[in-house]
Amino acid sequence: AQRVTQPEKLLSVFKGAPVELKCNYSYSGSPELFWYVQYSRQRLQLLLRHISRESIKGFTADLNKGETSFHLKKPFAQEEDSAMYYCALTIQGAQKLVFGQGTRLTINP
Amino acid sequence: GAGVSQSPRYKVAKRGQDVALRCDPISGHVSLFWYQQALGQGPEFLTYFQNEAQLDKSGLPSDRFFAERPEGSVSTLKIQRTQQEDSAVYLCASSMDRGNTIYFGEGSWLTVV
Repeated sequence: AQRVTQPEKLLSVFKGAPVELKCNYSYSGSPELFWYVQYSRQRLQLLLRHISRESIKGFTADLNKGETSFHLKKPFAQEEDSAMYYCALTIQGAQKLVFGQGTRLTINP
Repeated sequence: GAGVSQSPRYKVAKRGQDVALRCDPISGHVSLFWYQQALGQGPEFLTYFQNEAQLDKSGLPSDRFFAERPEGSVSTLKIQRTQQEDSAVYLCASSMDRGNTIYFGEGSWLTVV
């Protein structure tokens, strides 16, 4: 079965410091990977997807098939990045998203 | 405000009571999903519709859970004889079609007492 693991439930960094939120997955085929974000009192929303290869709000994520990872990175954290972040995948032919448990990121001033 | 709309936002049910949760997807969206999110966990897939057809219901935890989308737009998730372990946020999401961005609603918070 497919699984997404986010090893850190909580992550706290200072403003201006680099951020890396870890995500590992298990799936023998070719998944599509996503990062979703939920800001305080807002709905879950898509941050980025690996096939787009784009940077959103300064965040990037590279799919590493050898390590089955899709870590989310930002070189300089900002206070407005404080939120809950979920890594998720879909598999070919299926529509459902499989989510990790989430990482709560706090950016300290 | 053309986002996914869910109602009620909050529901307290007594154990054994039936509940119905409603989802209004974004207009024109073909695909509709229901997820269950327990406290401190990520969302877990319940079921998926393409138009009125329920193509995947593999995530429904028991036969007490039932979802429908009779006209291919509004969907209802019904939980019969609620139990305490049903307490969770129920998220509805929709997308224009297969492979497109999935948009989530704010969720219906269910507490079973």
